[in-house]
Amino acid sequence: NAGVTQTPKFRVLKTGQSMTLLCAQDMNHEYMYWYRQDPGMGLRLIHYSVGEGTTAKGEVPDGYNVSRLKKQNFLLGLESAAPSQTSVYFCASSYRGNRMNTEAFFGQGTRLTVV
Amino acid sequence: GQQVMQIPQYQHVQEGEDFTTYCNSSTTLSNIQWYKQRPGGHPVFLIQLVKSGEVKKQKRLTFQFGEAKKNSSLHITATQTTDVGTYFCAGPPAWPLGGGADGLTFGKGTHLIIQP
Repeated sequence: NAGVTQTPKFRVLKTGQSMTLLCAQDMNHEYMYWYRQDPGMGLRLIHYSVGEGTTAKGEVPDGYNVSRLKKQNFLLGLESAAPSQTSVYFCASSYRGNRMNTEAFFGQGTRLTVV
Repeated sequence: GQQVMQIPQYQHVQEGEDFTTYCNSSTTLSNIQWYKQRPGGHPVFLIQLVKSGEVKKQKRLTFQFGEAKKNSSLHITATQTTDVGTYFCAGPPAWPLGGGADGLTFGKGTHLIIQP
């Protein structure tokens, strides 16, 4: 029972570099989300997807892009990393959307440092 | 900004003491969820409240949703060291999302620190 798996778990980037964070879920969930967590800020929604081939902006989308080419995968891209993107990134999935009162399952997180 | 405000930010208790964290919103919430995050871990779903005035219990944990659906609380009776972590409330998307947007808007969390 893998649930939600994120890769990598840790990464250090130099300013201006690009990278992609991968999220995979094996629960056949339609909805997937990317959040970032910063000290004292709780979790903030970056982008989300309500199904394969669809994505939408969350609360803090600037500087990030996403793709959902397969139902089980949700990719988060940073085209030109900035120190302000140093954070812990969490992927989550849910069977139905949060508006339909379903719980979210979170991955283990990716700790990203941009220097 | 955040739709739900959560207090306190930190709470130190002696093992065996009770603990309460509060969530408040300026707008009516259709539902509220609670999550727990252990140090170095990821958020784990605890419960969801939907009905006005709803009260749910999970062993030593009691969750309440206010009558006006603008506030919620989590109370832990007789804390144990396994209760250490950060407790988050989360509600539907806040402005400027809202409408048909999905996802959760999290409070900033209450860090529970237990002294043996």
